[in-house]
Amino acid sequence: GAVVSQHPSRVICKSGTSVKIECRSLDFQATTMFWYRQFPKQSLMLMATSNEGSKATYEQGVEKDKFLINHASLTLSTLTVTSAHPEDSSFYICSARGGESYEQYFGPGTRLTVT
Amino acid sequence: KNEVEQSPQNLTAQEGEFITINCSYSVGISALHWLQQHPGGGIVSLFMLSSGKKKHGRLIATINIQEKHSSLHITASHPRDSAVYICAVGSETSGSRLTFGEGTQLTVNP
Repeated sequence: GAVVSQHPSRVICKSGTSVKIECRSLDFQATTMFWYRQFPKQSLMLMATSNEGSKATYEQGVEKDKFLINHASLTLSTLTVTSAHPEDSSFYICSARGGESYEQYFGPGTRLTVT
Repeated sequence: KNEVEQSPQNLTAQEGEFITINCSYSVGISALHWLQQHPGGGIVSLFMLSSGKKKHGRLIATINIQEKHSSLHITASHPRDSAVYICAVGSETSGSRLTFGEGTQLTVNP
């Protein structure tokens, strides 16, 4: 099946710094990418939807200035957590969809710890 | 009431047992997904279905659109099947935007 990668898989950063997470579709063109966060023992929460070449659509309650999403190409989307705080520590997962299919392919996730 | 409800929340089985996880939803859907999440977090898409039944190895997924219900079955369960299984639906109106169930923690003991 289709493959989606994320980098890094784990990152520890200090409070106040910014962290960039990459999501790549390796063998298909992802017209739409989704970014989720997951707190321990909870389900995934959609943060934003990004379409290649256009601005991301953020879910209610997600600060667009804090979570910057760029989807500059059909194979790469990035999520930048700006001025990270300990409460931003979470598991961030991306998924990608190509064309008109409803099928989504999930990345392996990135564990962010802010100290 | 959540749009997507899974049962049971936790399930412990002995190796070799037949396992069923249920998912009920309250909205019209475009597709339903079954996902597997292992400890460490990575998510694997098991099935996407909008009608009928799909089978892959020891896994079988069924959906009844009229009853708004889906089941995931695992035959001859194995300890490596231990994971969280998540049901997610894409609504008719939002297409690929998914709504997730709370997940079912499955533990298969040897």
